Amino acid sequence: IQVTQSPSSLSASVGDRVTITCRASQSIVTSLNWYQQKTGKAPKLLIYGASNLQSGVPSRFSGSGSGTEFALTIDSLQPDDFATYYCQQPFTRTFGQGTKVEI
Amino acid sequence: QVQLQESGPGLVKPSETLSLTCSVSGDSITRGVYYWSWIRQSAGTGLEWIGRIYTTGATSYNPSLKSRATVSADTSNNQVSLELASVTAADTAIYYCARENGGHYWDLWGRGTQVTVSS
Repeated sequence: IQVTQSPSSLSASVGDRVTITCRASQSIVTSLNWYQQKTGKAPKLLIYGASNLQSGVPSRFSGSGSGTEFALTIDSLQPDDFATYYCQQPFTRTFGQGTKVEI
Repeated sequence: QVQLQESGPGLVKPSETLSLTCSVSGDSITRGVYYWSWIRQSAGTGLEWIGRIYTTGATSYNPSLKSRATVSADTSNNQVSLELASVTAADTAIYYCARENGGHYWDLWGRGTQVTVSS
């Protein structure tokens, strides 16, 4: 099962609402996870099971979707949110290619 | 709090075996809730899961590594190890150990260790 993210990069401003999408090559029900990675750091879990917010993650992050189409939304983008975001499906443990969110 | 720390040689010669250790503090790797995984990241292939081990000793691996990977656990020292045989330049990457929750997602990661394969 492959997962494909779009876009590969985007430019946004502080306060913007940003949406990143992830498409699976076949239905994965609601089994999709999202991670944030900053330069030089390990990935950090944001969302699991498509829409469950990991403990300690700000509520401006949300996940949605099921089947083959999923989305990560960041409401009111903050300076700390400029990073690369990855989706990941747990069946074959593959990651998307990443979406870099730039200023 | 629970912390993971990877360690091992930063430089490995082609055709040799890469060996890394993940030291876990703040929790026991034998607690039957988590799997313990190795994941790597390179510019060429992105994030790639390598393999994992459960508290029972059961392991599973990414088929793309063609049986070169071995994940093991040292319960007396609370460590998880990775061996990757017959390395090539394509194995140059940052290697992470990570805690897998219920076999579904990785909720805790080490800082990672850079490994370069070169003669």
